[in-house]
Amino acid sequence: GAVVSQHPSRVICKSGTSVKIECRSLDFQATTMFWYRQFPKQSLMLMATSNEGSKATYEQGVEKDKFLINHASLTLSTLTVTSAHPEDSSFYICSANKRGGQGDTQYFGPGTRLTVL
Amino acid sequence: QKEVEQNSGPLSVPEGAIASLNCTYSDRGSQSFFWYRQYSGKSPELIMFIYSNGDKEDGRFTAQLNKASQYVSLLIRDSQPSDSATYLCAVGLYGQNFVFGPGTRLSVLP
Repeated sequence: GAVVSQHPSRVICKSGTSVKIECRSLDFQATTMFWYRQFPKQSLMLMATSNEGSKATYEQGVEKDKFLINHASLTLSTLTVTSAHPEDSSFYICSANKRGGQGDTQYFGPGTRLTVL
Repeated sequence: QKEVEQNSGPLSVPEGAIASLNCTYSDRGSQSFFWYRQYSGKSPELIMFIYSNGDKEDGRFTAQLNKASQYVSLLIRDSQPSDSATYLCAVGLYGQNFVFGPGTRLSVLP
């Protein structure tokens, strides 16, 4: 297996503030990480693909200026929710791509529950 | 548009029975196939992956892949209430992002 951590696990903030979420691959290097959002009782929704050393690729409908992604090293990607509003309250989950002999495998972090008041 | 389809369920099975979860995919070039389990309020956890046609067993879990039919399944033997979760099928194509299915909710009744 492989271990991916996320920090913080839970955050409550006021409307208008920015929140940074960290995703780390602890025992492998990940040139690619992914950020997902999941609302209650709904499917995972891919927000963006984070590539080490280059700009993130955002899915259609995801505002890149609102959800800032930085992948500064092979083990760390960050998601910053800027000027958060109550509708941004959700479960944010990252995953990291581990390269293997037969292909890539995605390992998920434990998720960050964001509540915007 | 690459698609991965799963029956949303819920699939209910009695404790001790075999649970069979199914997944179909649209891209014939898909090369890797994964099953994740997601408990309510938690993130997905990798259960199994399979690359070649046939069966792959790991404990109570068996993944089955049929590339000709574009079909992958997960069998859970001796189902336990703790297996109650949403099971996500994911399909990968080398160099491209995974495509996840919507998930099947499994309920194992004591």
